[in-house]
Amino acid sequence: QQQVKQSPQSLIVQKGGISIINCAYENTAFDYFPWYQQFPGKGPALLIAIRPDVSEKKEGRFTISFNKSAKQFSLHIMDSQPGDSATYFCAASRGETSGSRLTFGEGTQLTVNP
Amino acid sequence: DAGITQSPRHKVTETGTPVTLRCHQTENHRYMYWYRQDPGHGLRLIHYSYGVKDTDKGEVSDGYSVSRSKTEDFLLTLESATSSQTSVYFCAIRETTGGEQYFGPGTRLTVT
Repeated sequence: QQQVKQSPQSLIVQKGGISIINCAYENTAFDYFPWYQQFPGKGPALLIAIRPDVSEKKEGRFTISFNKSAKQFSLHIMDSQPGDSATYFCAASRGETSGSRLTFGEGTQLTVNP
Repeated sequence: DAGITQSPRHKVTETGTPVTLRCHQTENHRYMYWYRQDPGHGLRLIHYSYGVKDTDKGEVSDGYSVSRSKTEDFLLTLESATSSQTSVYFCAIRETTGGEQYFGPGTRLTVT
């Protein structure tokens, strides 16, 4: 059972544009929602994360929007750059009692054209 | 890289042979995790550890075992490798405060 669904699978954006990746989750016990960025041949790197007590978190050009009632969250990359071209994964976990195990979405391959 | 190393980085092995992958951390984190990454599946949790000799199963644990005899090392063993275990394996650690997980560089395993 896929508990975190991510879309789109791939995304092509022009330099300077906005990249938007969406995730939906099923388990209402999830309480931590990170996004990871992965370059080819590397491990995933934590990009930004949010907890459900806030609806938005911004770090530089990266923003997470969180909609608890809809069980959805999204990553917005403003002023997208070719260096942002990577695979992005959303994830969710449900706290200490479950060891904070992360459930990942399937990933979005982002290409930013110059 | 949060002080995480994985070894080997690449391995080719034959079906039916045992394989052990090692994850080593230098920062004394309590929680360690093993994930596998396959196209179309994202990353899936195999096993995790919440302390020395304390481990638990993840969503894809069949065919895998783990051991943690020291805080710094978390071993993943494939008792009898199968072609379906061809994958990229990532180790992760979690800081106790904040809950962020940080990943190692990965091991690419090919089972022929």
